[in-house]
Amino acid sequence: DGGITQSPKYLFRKEGQNVTLSCEQNLNHDAMYWYRQDPGQGLRLIYYSQIVNDFQKGDIAEGYSVSREKKESFPLTVTSAQKNPTAFYLCASRDSAKLFFGSGTQLSVL
Amino acid sequence: LAKTTQPISMDSYEGQEVNITCSHNNIATNDYITWYQQFPSQGPRFIIQGYKTKVTNEVASLFIPADRKSSTLSLPRVSLSDTAVYYCLVANQGGKLIFGQGTELSVKP
Repeated sequence: DGGITQSPKYLFRKEGQNVTLSCEQNLNHDAMYWYRQDPGQGLRLIYYSQIVNDFQKGDIAEGYSVSREKKESFPLTVTSAQKNPTAFYLCASRDSAKLFFGSGTQLSVL
Repeated sequence: LAKTTQPISMDSYEGQEVNITCSHNNIATNDYITWYQQFPSQGPRFIIQGYKTKVTNEVASLFIPADRKSSTLSLPRVSLSDTAVYYCLVANQGGKLIFGQGTELSVKP
């Protein structure tokens, strides 16, 4: 069953803690994306990767980091430098001009 | 990067046809126009994609005029379950993919 898998569905972060959100795809897509969505708002681009071992900052990269060591995986780390991390995080992969999204991770601060 | 502009919200009643228009004045020659539907706490899902003229599938139609500076998503006979946020995205095969604010469609009984 092909698709984008995000985990966990819910995540809680303590003050000063780094947390990592997982995103895995078995669609054999080269490009992957991370978006942040705040309540009632649209999607804002955090980072994207067009190929393994390469990634670029989106519009709101500060306080986040990513890696792309494997084609299938594009984890996002929310660092302690991100002072307002509470949001819904969406991962996607791209085939041509079409995006395929995961089901999202809701991150909250304890 | 082509910026998109959509109405913030729209209201409709069950059984009506709904048309949502997206403006993208600086669309590039190799850009495609794609529409997505998003329910609360879920990832957006693909509805329809087009390059020019008209495209139709089992859930919607997409109308694109010759100058491609706008596009209209048409949802025939909406139901309560069509209440969602609809995004248009203008992009080619590479790079940054930036979403606009989307249109919140509310379908009433």
